[in-house]
Amino acid sequence: KAGVTQTPRYLIKTRGQQVTLSCSPISGHRSVSWYQQTPGQGLQFLFEYFSETQRNKGNFPGRFSGRQFSNSRSEMNVSTLELGDSALYLCASSFRGAEQYFGPGTRLTVT
Amino acid sequence: QQQVKQSPQSLIVQKGGIPIINCAYENTAFDYFPWYQQFPGKGPALLIAIRPDVSEKKEGRFTISFNKSAKQFSLHIMDSQPGDSATYFCAAAYVTGSQGNLIFGKGTKLSVKP
Repeated sequence: KAGVTQTPRYLIKTRGQQVTLSCSPISGHRSVSWYQQTPGQGLQFLFEYFSETQRNKGNFPGRFSGRQFSNSRSEMNVSTLELGDSALYLCASSFRGAEQYFGPGTRLTVT
Repeated sequence: QQQVKQSPQSLIVQKGGIPIINCAYENTAFDYFPWYQQFPGKGPALLIAIRPDVSEKKEGRFTISFNKSAKQFSLHIMDSQPGDSATYFCAAAYVTGSQGNLIFGKGTKLSVKP
């Protein structure tokens, strides 16, 4: 099976702009979770989608949002970018929520 | 109640040594404890995971030891190799309650010297 894919792999944006990241889960997986990884805060949970519904949400501001499509592909959006949003954004897919398999991530740099 | 504390922050061992990484959790509702390995420029890769109804699980050279009463679990890497040099993360989740989001430790950077 193909693994989790994320696009784009690298992105440079300016403060105030918005960005959309995409994730394609492993075939057959219905749960997609998003995480932010930074050197200071480590890996932090953003949100989880299961069958197109947001099932869990982490402690991030409303500027961070996501959605899941009927084919389980997911997108996350960050509006009004801040310098502190620079991070590696990781998507993970799972069949029922336990074993999560991560993609390579999208490296977002905000200048 | 949601924290997972991981130690040490970094670890250097010689080839063939047995590095041990420890994690402690607070929330007794957690029922799933995985370990991930991450190489630079890559996403974390699931190594091995354990549920609280067993005290030890082995997969190849990797072993998880779990102490439910102490709320601690650890990763042992037998016969470590230079290729094992990576950052290791422990995590915990409450999957039974559909709260499958992983709470991660801060990571341990392991260096295995030839």
